[in-house]
Amino acid sequence: AQTVTQSQPEMSVQEAETVTLSCTYDTSESDYYLFWYKQPPSRQMILVIRQEAYKQQNATENRFSVNFQKAAKSFSLKISDSQLGDAAMYFCAYRGKYNNNDMRFGAGTRLTVKP
Amino acid sequence: DAGVIQSPRHEVTEMGQEVTLRCKPISGHNSLFWYRQTMMRGLELLIYFNNNVPIDDSGMPEDRFSAKMPNASFSTLKIQPSEPRDSAVYFCASSMWSSGRSTDTQYFGPGTRLTVL
Repeated sequence: AQTVTQSQPEMSVQEAETVTLSCTYDTSESDYYLFWYKQPPSRQMILVIRQEAYKQQNATENRFSVNFQKAAKSFSLKISDSQLGDAAMYFCAYRGKYNNNDMRFGAGTRLTVKP
Repeated sequence: DAGVIQSPRHEVTEMGQEVTLRCKPISGHNSLFWYRQTMMRGLELLIYFNNNVPIDDSGMPEDRFSAKMPNASFSTLKIQPSEPRDSAVYFCASSMWSSGRSTDTQYFGPGTRLTVL
């Protein structure tokens, strides 16, 4: 079974600084997808970024980027120039390429942004 | 696009009552998921539909829970009778699934916060 581990229950960052959220996963599959979702106090689950395992290049979306280390099964999220609106729970998720109904989520990391 | 729509946003009911949660997936998506989120268990998949057909309902807690998808644009999750332990946030998500090198992503609705007293 695939498991997703987020070892940091809480993180804090100063506004305009950079923060990295960690995620590791366990799988025996060679092709899969990884996601970071953001859940602000409104509860909405918002897709932040997506990475396809067969792509070597790390995905980026504006101030958000990932460090995907396939051999180490690591998928960290870097938030640059942190803003107050970035404060939220962040969930790392894994989905096998062929298993549409097998999305696995980590326990989440609560990010606080200090003004 | 309007995104995934869920109703109601909040539901407070008493133990034993029937609860119906509703979901409208993104137009054109062929896969629909119901999740439950609690502090203790995180996000759990309850049921998954593909092309309106339930494919995997192994996550449905017990017979009190049922889900339907009568057409491509509407799904319901029903709890009857409801119990306090059903209190949680229930999410609906949809995606466009295709075989092969699919890049589909699940898009979530805003969730329904259910409180059973």
